[in-house]
Amino acid sequence: DARVTQTPRHKVTEMGQEVTMRCQPILGHNTVFWYRQTMMQGLELLAYFRNRAPLDDSGMPKDRFSAEMPDATLATLKIQPSEPRDSAVYFCASGLARSGQGNTGELFFGEGSRLTVL
Amino acid sequence: GEDVEQSLFLSVREGDSSVINCTYTDSSSTYLYWYKQEPGAGLQLLTYIFSNMDMKQDQRLTVLLNKKDKHLSLRIADTQTGDSAIYFCAESSGTYKYIFGTGTRLKVLA
Repeated sequence: DARVTQTPRHKVTEMGQEVTMRCQPILGHNTVFWYRQTMMQGLELLAYFRNRAPLDDSGMPKDRFSAEMPDATLATLKIQPSEPRDSAVYFCASGLARSGQGNTGELFFGEGSRLTVL
Repeated sequence: GEDVEQSLFLSVREGDSSVINCTYTDSSSTYLYWYKQEPGAGLQLLTYIFSNMDMKQDQRLTVLLNKKDKHLSLRIADTQTGDSAIYFCAESSGTYKYIFGTGTRLKVLA
């Protein structure tokens, strides 16, 4: 049963600490997205990759956030230093970029990493 | 830039129809989606529509697309308590950049 796996599921940390969230996309998918969900802002796109190359990270605060795909099976989102306003649920999603008929472009989401920064 | 807007809350009685609305700004959107998020879980695709279609029906779900007004709606017939969730509208264009709305929290009253 193919699924997107995210770790950790929950993280509580203190302000100023580094936080790294990891995502294993579904094998064979060539796009990976990072979203942040808060009650106030809804679902914000932070970054997305196609074939491991970053295509858009304009939604990400560059001074403290970084996103990478060291290989096709791993995507990381790092926050350094973390701040209380970073508290949110972070979702990773993967999909297959459309090419021709038959591909709906569906995104498959992980269960999220709930981050609390004290 | 691209933007997708939805109302935040909707409350309906069990057995009634629910209609969730969405507006988007990107005229180059080629695919439009509805995702469902249950408590503590990630989003799951509910249904989708191509931009060259006006309507799509899938069992209790009906999607209507007004491309001129950039308006998308999701109708759930015979709404059940199990339909209580957050529903997200999303659009995707040729660059495959996925933009989601803020989500509509549907509450079904027994």
